[in-house]
Amino acid sequence: EPEVTQTPSHQVTQMGQEVILRCVPISNHLYFYWYRQILGQKVEFLVSFYNNEISEKSEIFDDQFSVERPDGSNFTLKIRSTKLEDSAMYFCASSYDRGRVNYGYTFGSGTRLTVV
Amino acid sequence: GESVGLHLPTLSVQEGDNSIINCAYSNSASDYFIWYKQESGKGPQFIIDIRSNMDKRQGQRVTVLLNKTVKHLSLQIAATQPGDSAVYFCAESPTIQGAQKLVFGQGTRLTINP
Repeated sequence: EPEVTQTPSHQVTQMGQEVILRCVPISNHLYFYWYRQILGQKVEFLVSFYNNEISEKSEIFDDQFSVERPDGSNFTLKIRSTKLEDSAMYFCASSYDRGRVNYGYTFGSGTRLTVV
Repeated sequence: GESVGLHLPTLSVQEGDNSIINCAYSNSASDYFIWYKQESGKGPQFIIDIRSNMDKRQGQRVTVLLNKTVKHLSLQIAATQPGDSAVYFCAESPTIQGAQKLVFGQGTRLTINP
């Protein structure tokens, strides 16, 4: 079964450093997403991406965050200057339209980001 | 504003019994609802979904019920197994197509007792 792959599984970084979280969405999917989950809390939407541009972003997704699809397979989330409160699990997801209905919304296993 | 919440944070049932997990949502314009299962250290795993034009949908051992009048969603798991132990989230989306922003509830931890 196709999977969304995320690397690394765990990243530790110092406050103020830049981090890049990487994702390989399912190959025929068109829509890409990042979510985060602070420990013990619900999953929160960060951003959606389609046709090489952001479709929607949440208020969490401020100027410190950016996304990029640098090639035909990878989808990255960059945090420019990490803060302690950025510590969370970050999930990548992807989906596609089948007919007129969004389909196959699949999440990766996540990257646990720890900011120290 | 949009919000999706859950009535109970934890639920324990005996193996073999049926379980019901509930979810309340506040956005009456939501058109699409999904239940996800999340095991420790893993990402949300799709269980079952339902469109707003339906009130019931069945899968293998799972049934989702939607009551739009009271904005309530439930997940029924029949004949629970130890592998069903996980956190269950409901999520909703205002659209069924294109780039969907999912709004998740807080989650219910289901524990299956042997």
